[in-house]
Amino acid sequence: DTGVSQNPRHKITKRGQNVTFRCDPISEHNRLYWYRQTLGQGPEFLTYFQNEAQLEKSRLLSDRFSAERPKGSFSTLEIQRTEQGDSAMYLCASTPGDRGSNTEAFFGQGTRLTVV
Amino acid sequence: GQQLNQSPQSMFIQEGEDVSMNCTSSSIFNTWLWYKQDPGEGPVLLIALYKAGELTSNGRLTAQFGITRKDSFLNISASIPSDVGIYFCAGQLFQSGNTPLVFGKGTRLSVIA
Repeated sequence: DTGVSQNPRHKITKRGQNVTFRCDPISEHNRLYWYRQTLGQGPEFLTYFQNEAQLEKSRLLSDRFSAERPKGSFSTLEIQRTEQGDSAMYLCASTPGDRGSNTEAFFGQGTRLTVV
Repeated sequence: GQQLNQSPQSMFIQEGEDVSMNCTSSSIFNTWLWYKQDPGEGPVLLIALYKAGELTSNGRLTAQFGITRKDSFLNISASIPSDVGIYFCAGQLFQSGNTPLVFGKGTRLSVIA
């Protein structure tokens, strides 16, 4: 399967713990995006990378959140000191990015985080 | 942030019926995308639109990019049970530079056999 891969699929954690999610984009795609989706809502943009450079962060991305893409391939999203409000589906998407646009974003299956 | 108003919020239809849903905004977009999401899964791209007035089909799905660049619609003809899911519109704002996709809140489609 050469699609976007996310791990883990599900994560249950206690409030205050740190969690880390991984995303492996489609191999030839150089743009990678993180979105968050809560129940009954569409995905909301968090941040994106062009290769290893993090180019934009949403206001949703508090200082407890950090994302990396050290070699321009896979990316990790870490949430420190989790809160119940962090419970959501975290989605990763990738695009070729070669035309300076992020059209036709392909999504992974998501990581569902539950903070108890 | 930018808002995409997607309607209806939900639909219950009989198998075989046609479906229509739309997305509007007060802002201008240069790209419209339509996605389908099944429970517990990520969104899957259905159709991408790049030009005002463009009408594009993908099997039983047809989508159009509104002339004003502020709206788009998606039609599904002869619905079948596997069409059940949540349909999202997404757009890229018409402005310089790269902007992330903005999503609507979705239309939940239920098909009654």
